[in-house]
Amino acid sequence: DQQVKQNSPSLSVQEGRISILNCDYTNSMFDYFLWYKKYPAEGPTFLISISSIKDKNEDGRFTVFLNKSAKHLSLHIVPSQPGDSAVYFCAGTNDYKLSFGAGTTVTVRA
Amino acid sequence: DGGITQSPKYLFRKEGQNVTLSCEQNLNHDAMYWYRQDPGQGLRLIYYSQIVNDFQKGDIAEGYSVSREKKESFPLTVTSAQKNPTAFYLCASSAGTGRRETQYFGPGTRLLVL
Repeated sequence: DQQVKQNSPSLSVQEGRISILNCDYTNSMFDYFLWYKKYPAEGPTFLISISSIKDKNEDGRFTVFLNKSAKHLSLHIVPSQPGDSAVYFCAGTNDYKLSFGAGTTVTVRA
Repeated sequence: DGGITQSPKYLFRKEGQNVTLSCEQNLNHDAMYWYRQDPGQGLRLIYYSQIVNDFQKGDIAEGYSVSREKKESFPLTVTSAQKNPTAFYLCASSAGTGRRETQYFGPGTRLLVL
């Protein structure tokens, strides 16, 4: 039973524009969410997180928005850069155990 | 440089063979994890360990075994009981097991069956 879903397997965006990645979750017990970025043949690296007591967290070009009532979160990357081309995983948790989505592959076009 | 190392990068398994994937961390982290990634799926937890000499099953532990004899090492054995072992295996560690503890990942091992 997949508790975190990323319904868009891929996203193509022009360099300099905004990338918006979406994630939905079903477990209402989740109170902490994370985004990881992964390049091919490498392990995921932590990008940004958000606690359920907030609805927005910003770190440089990356902003995560959380809508608890809709059980939805999104990651905004502004402006998108070629180095942002990677797979992005959303994860939710209420303890040590992370539940991951299937990932969204972002391709930034020059 | 602190980090997590996994070896080998690629591993081939013959039918009926057990293989062991190595994971070492020098971050002085207490908790370590093993995940499996299959195409089109998120990472799934195989085993985790909160402390030396202790470990617990994750969601898909069948056909796998682990040990945690040293804080820095958490090897994963893929046994012959695992009927579909072809996947990308990721090891991770975190300072603790609270939900706000960021998990840091190694580069992964790709296991292929001959």
